[in-house]
Amino acid sequence: AQKVTQAQTEISVVEKEDVTLDCVYETRDTTYYLFWYKQPPSGELVFLIRRNSFDEQNEISGRYSWNFQKSTSSFNFTITASQVVDSAVYFCALSEVGAGTASKLTFGTGTRLQVTL
Amino acid sequence: EAQVTQNPRYLITVTGKKLTVTCSQNMNHEYMSWYRQDPGLGLRQIYYSMNVEVTDKGDVPEGYKVSRKEKRNFPLILESPSPNQTSLYFCASSLGEATNEKLFFGSGTQLSVL
Repeated sequence: AQKVTQAQTEISVVEKEDVTLDCVYETRDTTYYLFWYKQPPSGELVFLIRRNSFDEQNEISGRYSWNFQKSTSSFNFTITASQVVDSAVYFCALSEVGAGTASKLTFGTGTRLQVTL
Repeated sequence: EAQVTQNPRYLITVTGKKLTVTCSQNMNHEYMSWYRQDPGLGLRQIYYSMNVEVTDKGDVPEGYKVSRKEKRNFPLILESPSPNQTSLYFCASSLGEATNEKLFFGSGTQLSVL
């Protein structure tokens, strides 16, 4: 069965600090997709990134970067020079693409990030 | 504007009173799904639909029903709500028939069952 673990329940940082949100996953499939979603205080869920299991290249988008390591089954998310607007709950998610599982998306329990001045 | 529309945004009801939460998307998406969000549990899938008239259970389907008679609509029905169904509900859709595409979420429905 697939599983996503976000061990950090809450993280609090001061603005301009770098912060890394951890995501560890379990799957038996060799083909799968990993996602990060952001849920700001307003409550909506916003897509941040998708990565497939065959692409281990790290990705950078502005202050955001993602480190995907299949060897440790991790897909960590780093925010550089954090800002107050980054305060949100962040969810990591896993989608298996095996027979009979193409419709299953499993979310982690989320990490609440609080960025203060 | 491309969007997933959920209604109502807030709903307070009493145990046993049937209710429907509507969900509509205007992006011609194949895949639609319902999730509930509870503190400490993240988002858990209730039901999903890979196309019209094709629905299946997710991880927590007990007490819920869905239908997909039209591509754009995917209502969530609680025939006899109970207090343990008090939760924040999200509808989502994606372009493909599988969840390897990014999801577009509705704004959420906060349901309280008294």
